[in-house]
Amino acid sequence: KNEVEQSPQNLTAQEGEFITINCSYSVGISALHWLQQHPGGGIVSLFMLSSGKKKHGRLIATINIQEKHSSLHITASHPRDSAVYICAVVRGATNKLIFGTGTLLAVQP
Amino acid sequence: DTAVSQTPKYLVTQMGNDKSIKCEQNLGHDTMYWYKQDSKKFLKIMFSYNNKELIINETVPNRFSPKSPDKAHLNLHINSLELGDSAVYFCASSQTVSGKLFFGSGTQLSVL
Repeated sequence: KNEVEQSPQNLTAQEGEFITINCSYSVGISALHWLQQHPGGGIVSLFMLSSGKKKHGRLIATINIQEKHSSLHITASHPRDSAVYICAVVRGATNKLIFGTGTLLAVQP
Repeated sequence: DTAVSQTPKYLVTQMGNDKSIKCEQNLGHDTMYWYKQDSKKFLKIMFSYNNKELIINETVPNRFSPKSPDKAHLNLHINSLELGDSAVYFCASSQTVSGKLFFGSGTQLSVL
């Protein structure tokens, strides 16, 4: 079992919908990253958080350290949001980054 | 200016060859990484350097040897390439070992 699990693995939404992607982890962490990988392959860091909530434009990331769970929300989704979203945790003891398997999001016009 | 640049973008080579992938960052970051993304798109860390010193060395074959001549560069040399080495390799950097990551655009390696 992967130490970082994401759900769903695949998600199709209509433009304008509110989207939630979940990430659960089983190890102690010092931080959690949300990354976006576009169809062209480039990877962009969206958020890094260790507690609470962060917002950037239409994107919101939350983390609950006690429950070992994080969510990425996209409000008013748009076709350009179509990408793979990857959760990655920084393992507390080693500072090693452990990746989830990603969520493939397709937003249809 | 590109923050993290890696070259080449594509690398096609024969089994048994030796090849290098170069990475440079102009962000003044202390930490640099190499990640491998397999055919199932799963990312896995290979190496991490902080101030030119190796801090993470995952279980990768010793045919893979990272070299950090200075803080701004982390190159990956691969000896005796095998078919299973075919993947996309990403370089990344961060200010600290747990800081926000900045990725290069990836190098798609195909071993024939």
